[in-house]
Amino acid sequence: NAGVTQTPKFQVLKTGQSMTLQCAQDMNHEYMSWYRQDPGMGLRLIHYSVGAGITDQGEVPNGYNVSRSTTEDFPLRLLSAAPSQTSVYFCASRTGRETQYFGPGTRLLVL
Amino acid sequence: EDKVVQSPLSLVVHEGDTVTLNCSYEVTNFRSLLWYKQEKKAPTFLFMLTSSGIEKKSGRLSSILDKKELFSILNITATQTGDSAIYLCAVNSGGSNYKLTFGKGTLLTVNP
Repeated sequence: NAGVTQTPKFQVLKTGQSMTLQCAQDMNHEYMSWYRQDPGMGLRLIHYSVGAGITDQGEVPNGYNVSRSTTEDFPLRLLSAAPSQTSVYFCASRTGRETQYFGPGTRLLVL
Repeated sequence: EDKVVQSPLSLVVHEGDTVTLNCSYEVTNFRSLLWYKQEKKAPTFLFMLTSSGIEKKSGRLSSILDKKELFSILNITATQTGDSAIYLCAVNSGGSNYKLTFGKGTLLTVNP
């Protein structure tokens, strides 16, 4: 199993540009989540999904969209990038009572 | 609103010292508390705690949960420089939807 994969590893955007951060898992996990991590702020939940076709907002959803058309994929879309969205983004997945597995992260810089 | 508070936010010790990291929480529908270690990349899982008073142990690391007082501690004995990392505490507040709330983390630096 590849576990949780994320692409790209690093991205630079200009303010106003849009992009999609990709996340995929091959463990057949129902639950998937997106977090952002900023210095001194810990991990903050952006959006999460409890299964294909079901998504919900987390703590900091503004400026981001998600969809879950398949169990495997959970892309995060930035509609119009802003410098405040400069962060490290982690995707994670889990099932049932198991622990959560994190992807390697995407470092995003918005100029 | 669910809340997880870790203390201290940072800690510097010498190799061989013992450290105790704290995590307190206020959440609805508590299901479990998790500890993660984060070095340069993604957090890696350490422990999941669901029951009060039962210590989980892995080598020099151990953790225990107190559901009455709403806190957990993570102990590291005989610290090594490789223990330097951010330690994250998260609480699964369950209910019909899955949700993990993270604390801000404790940055541990172990000096030789």
